[in-house]
Amino acid sequence: KNEVEQSPQNLTAQEGEFITINCSYSVGISALHWLQQHPGGGIVSLFMLSSGKKKHGRLIATINIQEKHSSLHITASHPRDSAVYICAPQGSGTYKYIFGTGTRLKVLA
Amino acid sequence: NAGVTQTPKFQVLKTGQSMTLQCAQDMNHNSMYWYRQDPGMGLRLIYYSASEGTTDKGEVPNGYNVSRLNKREFSLRLESAAPSQTSVYFCASSDLSRAEQFFGPGTRLTVL
Repeated sequence: KNEVEQSPQNLTAQEGEFITINCSYSVGISALHWLQQHPGGGIVSLFMLSSGKKKHGRLIATINIQEKHSSLHITASHPRDSAVYICAPQGSGTYKYIFGTGTRLKVLA
Repeated sequence: NAGVTQTPKFQVLKTGQSMTLQCAQDMNHNSMYWYRQDPGMGLRLIYYSASEGTTDKGEVPNGYNVSRLNKREFSLRLESAAPSQTSVYFCASSDLSRAEQFFGPGTRLTVL
């Protein structure tokens, strides 16, 4: 079993829809990161979470440490949100990220 | 600030050739990382450097060597390239070993 599981693997949405991407992990962590990778390939850090909830614009990330689960929400989705979203828990007391395989999101106009 | 830069962006090698991937950061970060990304898999850590003069193996170090030339630069060398090393390579940096990582644009390497 993988240490990090993301769902769904692929998602197609209509512009304006509310989107949720889920991440479950099986290891103890010090933080969890959500990353965005656009079709051009560059990787950008969206959030670093150790508890609760964070919001940047239309993006919201939550984490439940007890349940070892995190979600990334996109409100009022837009075609420019089309990208791969990667969940990356950071192991307790370590620098190492454990990368999920990503969720490929396509938002249609 | 340029952030994390990588050269080259694309490279095609023949089996057995050698090459060095270059990475530099201008954020005064202590820690630097090399990852590879393969289809259907998450990014995997090849090597890590906590600070100038130190390097540690990651999950998939075989076939690679690294050099932390100074605080800014961290290079990855393939001494004898193999088709299994066809991948996209990302360099990243962070200011503390446990903090947010900033990624370079990637190098797409094909080994024939």
